[in-house]
Amino acid sequence: GEDVEQSLFLSVREGDSSVINCTYTDSSSTYLYWYKQEPGAGLQLLTYIFSNMDMKQDQRLTVLLNKKDKHLSLRIADTQTGDSAIYFCAERGGGGNKLTFGTGTQLKVEL
Amino acid sequence: DAGVIQSPRHEVTEMGQEVTLRCKPISGHDYLFWYRQTMMRGLELLIYFNNNVPIDDSGMPEDRFSAKMPNASFSTLKIQPSEPRDSAVYFCASSVSGGDEQFFGPGTRLTVL
Repeated sequence: GEDVEQSLFLSVREGDSSVINCTYTDSSSTYLYWYKQEPGAGLQLLTYIFSNMDMKQDQRLTVLLNKKDKHLSLRIADTQTGDSAIYFCAERGGGGNKLTFGTGTQLKVEL
Repeated sequence: DAGVIQSPRHEVTEMGQEVTLRCKPISGHDYLFWYRQTMMRGLELLIYFNNNVPIDDSGMPEDRFSAKMPNASFSTLKIQPSEPRDSAVYFCASSVSGGDEQFFGPGTRLTVL
């Protein structure tokens, strides 16, 4: 099956930028997503990018997609303590309704 | 809208017992997804429905797991008999159509002793 991989843990200082990386194997991916999960809660969609784009910016969030290398990243500018959470990368294969999620990256923001 | 509603939020049961998890999707959403989240395997799709019909149940671990959607506003995930390895957080999500954003419920944390 398709695979999505992320590093498990990232620690940054408040005010710095965070960059969370993701790699995937499905060459037919149409959409790629970033979800945020806060403790004890479900996943919340942060942003997404269509596979024919290479960058998308939304306020403090910047998504970069390198389709050739199947690499996706999420940059959070001016990271705040409220950004501490688990971030999941997910991809949607061509023509399908199913999402394949990565293992999640736990972001810890320190003062 | 109240969002996706799941009940119970926490369930503790003993091995061999039947467990039923419930989900109410967002009104107007035609797709409903059941996921399981564990530390070892991450987030896995178990099954999804379109207009109350199961479309893909290839993620259901084994015959002990079953899911139903008797109407557009209610779905259940049943485990019978339950085993300790079923301990996980089970999420329900819904979307307007298959390609749209999935809205997740708060999850049910299941512990099987």
